[in-house]
Amino acid sequence: SQKIEQNSEALNIQEGKTATLTCNYTNYSPAYLQWYRQDPGRGPVFLLLIRENEKEKRKERLKVTFDTTLKQSLFHITASQPADSATYLCALDAGGTSYGKLTFGQGTILTVHP
Amino acid sequence: NAGVMQNPRHLVRRRGQEARLRCSPMKGHSHVYWYRQLPEEGLKFMVYLQKENIIDESGMPKERFSAEFPKEGPSILRIQQVVRGDSAAYFCASSPRRQGSTDTQYFGPGTRLTVL
Repeated sequence: SQKIEQNSEALNIQEGKTATLTCNYTNYSPAYLQWYRQDPGRGPVFLLLIRENEKEKRKERLKVTFDTTLKQSLFHITASQPADSATYLCALDAGGTSYGKLTFGQGTILTVHP
Repeated sequence: NAGVMQNPRHLVRRRGQEARLRCSPMKGHSHVYWYRQLPEEGLKFMVYLQKENIIDESGMPKERFSAEFPKEGPSILRIQQVVRGDSAAYFCASSPRRQGSTDTQYFGPGTRLTVL
């Protein structure tokens, strides 16, 4: 069966360090992979989208990699700040007839300590 | 440009009542998606709509749940005869008409439904 797993429920790091979050999937051939941030009591906010034929995408302090052979995406936040503390969600879009239907991982709660 | 709007933000219903959740997409967006987030669980896709059309309702429970996106007005997610297990946060997202095959979804703040 199709499965999306984010490496851990919670990740604690010190301010200034790089946070690395992992998203693994099985029995899936996603056309796109997206990362969202969700704060308590609020809706997810889109951060980055990477296509199946792209290896890496960057946006300011954020970097996403996508390895379709390993079936894995890594999400990095460099020079992390306490304001980066939130739940981060990866989401797959299979494209084709399933286009637009996002399947989400369960999320990783990131806490950046000052 | 206002974001995706959902109302009410909080909704309390007794078992057996009906719940109506509304979603106004971002201006210029013609695609609407509904997701449900149960306590301690991830977001689950429910339904994908375009104006006056249901594109994909594969995540919608077969009974008691329905969704519409009329030509005029907001998208409505309707839950009839609510049960305690329907208590969750319901999120709406919208996206613009696609160019190529990219599809970033913009989420609303959610409606938190509590069934007593």
